[in-house]
Amino acid sequence: QQQVKQSPQSLIVQKGGISIINCAYENTAFDYFPWYQQFPGKGPALLIAIRPDVSEKKEGRFTISFNKSAKQFSLHIMDSQPGDSATYFCAASNRYGNKLVFGAGTILRVKS
Amino acid sequence: KAGVTQTPRYLIKTRGQQVTLSCSPISGHRSVSWYQQTPGQGLQFLFEYFSETQRNKGNFPGRFSGRQFSNSRSEMNVSTLELGDSALYLCASSSRGGPGTEAFFGQGTRLTVV
Repeated sequence: QQQVKQSPQSLIVQKGGISIINCAYENTAFDYFPWYQQFPGKGPALLIAIRPDVSEKKEGRFTISFNKSAKQFSLHIMDSQPGDSATYFCAASNRYGNKLVFGAGTILRVKS
Repeated sequence: KAGVTQTPRYLIKTRGQQVTLSCSPISGHRSVSWYQQTPGQGLQFLFEYFSETQRNKGNFPGRFSGRQFSNSRSEMNVSTLELGDSALYLCASSSRGGPGTEAFFGQGTRLTVV
């Protein structure tokens, strides 16, 4: 019940294309869903996050779509750029503290 | 504002030894969490400290312990090191650690056990 399942494992997108990464969860106690971006040799950096009371959140080229009934959420990267090439992690936490449960990660490569 | 600082960046230890890792959170942040990152298991939660008290604990053996000081700085200790403890250990800080609080990660300490 604590798992967050992330797909795909890896993704190759052409420059200017849309990158889509999906996550699914089972624990209905989760109420905070952040996405992190990690470059080699660096710690994860918070990209964007959503609460279940909204279905979509957009920040620049990054959009989270959230489907509470299906217990799924996804990250869309519009106009993908080579600089977006990194590993992306979805995560979830509940209201009892700050324990993040992470997906397995998606390695994104944007080809120029 | 300075980010999360973890020291040292790299460590090489021998099986059976113990190690202490340090984390200085962002100024004003009171919650510090620790994570282990490995290629096989991904990012796994170790424990969280808030105002010097352990508030959450992950599924790791008792060899993994931590503490938080009154200035919110935190240390993590691993005793009787095993080869499988080789990993990137990440510290994350957040302001109050409540639900939906943004967590900011440091660059991590790369521990290699030989």
